Amino acid sequence: QITLTQQAESLWVSPGEKVSITCRASQSLLYTDGKHYLSWYQQRPGQTTKALIYHASIRTDGVPTRFIGSGSGTEFTLSIEDVQPEDIALYYCLQTLKKPWTFGGGTKLELK
Amino acid sequence: EVQLQESGPGLVKPSQSLSLTCSVTGYSITSNYWGWIRKFPGNKMEWMGYISYSGSTSYNPSLKSRISITRDTSKNQFFLQLNSVTTEDTATYYCARYSEIRGTSVMDAWGQGASVTVSS
Repeated sequence: QITLTQQAESLWVSPGEKVSITCRASQSLLYTDGKHYLSWYQQRPGQTTKALIYHASIRTDGVPTRFIGSGSGTEFTLSIEDVQPEDIALYYCLQTLKKPWTFGGGTKLELK
Repeated sequence: EVQLQESGPGLVKPSQSLSLTCSVTGYSITSNYWGWIRKFPGNKMEWMGYISYSGSTSYNPSLKSRISITRDTSKNQFFLQLNSVTTEDTATYYCARYSEIRGTSVMDAWGQGASVTVSS
């Protein structure tokens, strides 16, 4: 199965800063259709889990533009520009290229 | 607006079966795919499987023959059964809706999660 590694278990940020969360895959997530099957999810305390990004860089409906997905092949990044207090959450990457679909270990964003 | 709500026992004895229900409102489970994901203590997440709008299923091989996902379309509910549980199945269990967006599956609606502890 494909392993996703999120190196940072926790990241500390101040409001207004930019932060980047990385996700590394054990094999390329590029499919023959030219798309990467990598998505990002946010878990906020007391809220339901939210899909942020799919195909590595496309925001789902309603996701603020400060959330930016990038990367290709095996290396992917979720960047949050101008971090807001409501962005404090757990973030997971997920690959849906091959079953079993697998998650990264999660990165917890915390306030300095 | 679609809403999902998990329900079921919070405590299960080892070797017994874990059974959870996901009740869906605001959307018919005869459309899309519907599935289960769990989060272990320590935050590791695992995709467990799903049931499609037609009733076909797909499971994580790591769960082998222990898992079954079924549905009751008349009640707009789907179910998780996990047999022969051990303490390693202690987790928070989430149900979710999958939507096909530009050729990929996105879990675009989730329940709040149900905490299940396996202990004697």
